[in-house]
Amino acid sequence: AQSVAQPEDQVNVAEGNPLTVKCTYSVSGNPYLFWYVQYPNRGLQFLLKYITGDNLVKGSYGFEAEFNKSQTSFHLKKPSALVSDSALYFCAVRYPLDTGRRALTFGSGTRLQVQP
Amino acid sequence: NAGVTQTPKFRVLKTGQSMTLLCAQDMNHEYMYWYRQDPGMGLRLIHYSVGEGTTAKGEVPDGYNVSRLKKQNFLLGLESAAPSQTSVYFCASRSNRDRDTGELFFGEGSRLTVL
Repeated sequence: AQSVAQPEDQVNVAEGNPLTVKCTYSVSGNPYLFWYVQYPNRGLQFLLKYITGDNLVKGSYGFEAEFNKSQTSFHLKKPSALVSDSALYFCAVRYPLDTGRRALTFGSGTRLQVQP
Repeated sequence: NAGVTQTPKFRVLKTGQSMTLLCAQDMNHEYMYWYRQDPGMGLRLIHYSVGEGTTAKGEVPDGYNVSRLKKQNFLLGLESAAPSQTSVYFCASRSNRDRDTGELFFGEGSRLTVL
């Protein structure tokens, strides 16, 4: 079964510092990986995705993520955090062979807190 | 652009009552999904639909029913609400144009409390 793990419930970082939010996925074929962000009382918004090709993908709001097949990871990064980046972040996976549901499986979420 | 719209946004029910959540999308998407979000558990798939007139079970379908009579609408029903169904419910949709590489578009959520 496809799954993703987000090992940290919360990440705290000072404004201006680099941030990393971790995600690992279960090994089964070649996954499609996604990051979403959720601001308070809002729906999830798409940030970026990895499908194939370059392991470093760039997304919205200055975020990027690196796909690492050997470590089965897809960590979200940003060189310089902003207070406005404080939100709940979700990693998600879909496998190409999952032709039935065509759904995303989400991690448990990581709350990012950026301090001024 | 409205995108994905969910109604109602908030609802309080008593145990045993029934209700329906409505999801409407104006993007002509084929796929639609209902997820529930609970603290520390991320989003879990309840039911989904790959096209008008078709529905299927997700990870946590018990206690819920769905219908997709029109392509743009996906209804989630609770026949007899239980406190365990207190949650935030999200509807999402996706186009099938990108051969499964496309992202989901989410509604703003519906917060349901069952007393």
